[in-house]
Amino acid sequence: QQQVKQSPQSLIVQKGGIPIINCAYENTAFDYFPWYQQFPGKGPALLIAIRPDVSEKKEGRFTISFNKSAKQFSLHIMDSQPGDSATYFCAASKSGSARQLTFGSGTQLTVLP
Amino acid sequence: DVKVTQSSRYLVKRTGEKVFLECVQDMDHENMFWYRQDPGLGLRLIYFSYDVKMKEKGDIPEGYSVSREKKERFSLILESASTNQTSMYLCASRASGTHEQYFGPGTRLTVT
Repeated sequence: QQQVKQSPQSLIVQKGGIPIINCAYENTAFDYFPWYQQFPGKGPALLIAIRPDVSEKKEGRFTISFNKSAKQFSLHIMDSQPGDSATYFCAASKSGSARQLTFGSGTQLTVLP
Repeated sequence: DVKVTQSSRYLVKRTGEKVFLECVQDMDHENMFWYRQDPGLGLRLIYFSYDVKMKEKGDIPEGYSVSREKKERFSLILESASTNQTSMYLCASRASGTHEQYFGPGTRLTVT
């Protein structure tokens, strides 16, 4: 049972383009939606996160758009750079003692110079 | 700077061997997690621990066990390794009351 569905599986853009990665979730109890970034040979690291009481959050060139009614959220990378080439994972969790993260399947992003 | 370390970056074991993967965090976090990462499947939770000697099954615990004798250390044990356990294993930790998990660099395990 995949509770968080992520697409696309891979994405190639030119430098300066705006890659968009989409995720959809099923569990309406989720109340925290992070994006993790993973470079080759490294573990994932938190990039940006959003709660469902806002529709958008920006941190630098990275923006999360959140649509609560559609149960969807997406990551936009403005003015993408070759250094943004990495695997991106969306995730979701709910408050409580466990706060387990349920991850999407990942998107491998390549930004061409 | 927060740090999660894993005992090995690469490991090759034979089918049927007992395998220990060690994880240490220096952030005094209460919660620790073991995931496996496979292409197209993302990260799947194997086990987690919210306190010393406490453990909870994740989504895919079959074939694995864990041990947490000290707060900073969380071990993943493959009692009898099988080829379908060839994967990247990631350890993470999290402070209570927060959501962010901090990950180690991973151990790529190959079972032949």
